[in-house]
Amino acid sequence: IAGITQAPTSQILAAGRRMTLRCTQDMRHNAMYWYRQDLGLGLRLIHYSNTAGTTGKGEVPDGYSVSRANTDDFPLTLASAVPSQTSVYFCASSDASGSGTGELFFGEGSRLTVL
Amino acid sequence: GQNIDQPTEMTATEGAIVQINCTYQTSGFNGLFWYQQHAGEAPTFLSYNVLDGLEEKGRFSSFLSRSKGYSYLLLKELQMKDSASYLCAVVDSNYQLIWGAGTKLIIKP
Repeated sequence: IAGITQAPTSQILAAGRRMTLRCTQDMRHNAMYWYRQDLGLGLRLIHYSNTAGTTGKGEVPDGYSVSRANTDDFPLTLASAVPSQTSVYFCASSDASGSGTGELFFGEGSRLTVL
Repeated sequence: GQNIDQPTEMTATEGAIVQINCTYQTSGFNGLFWYQQHAGEAPTFLSYNVLDGLEEKGRFSSFLSRSKGYSYLLLKELQMKDSASYLCAVVDSNYQLIWGAGTKLIIKP
């Protein structure tokens, strides 16, 4: 089934540990995004990539890093997890890179708990 | 600052009509999206408005007034499966998406 795959779907992590959330899409979309979603708040952009080889910072990038070695994969890394990074993380893609006006396709989310 | 306002929660009856409002104050405007998100699931696209007026898509319609910084999502013939959160998002002058916190819609039989 075409779309976006995220892994893991759920993870409990000790504070200070390193964690990588994986995201793969098979729609050949140029643009990819990482959001976090917290109760009572709108989706907040962490990092984005308009095309393979480029990345940019979103609204809440601190404590996170990304890479975009190819079109399909966009992993998100927490170098040293802290409890405030407990959240649901969504990866998304769009075929309207740079314009911000394309429909976003979301993965199923990764629920991360940092203790 | 940039701001998107939506009601936190609304309740409606199966078979009825409900209107979910969204007001925005952003640096520029390049379109407005509505997404639906069922509990524990990913958001899915519902509609996109960039010009004033009403866009109808089956039971769902979305309206935009750029001069008033206002949009609404209209859901007709409500079904139990419409119980979900509805997210409003605006594309600002830098073509960045600004998201509202979402409106949780509860449908009662």
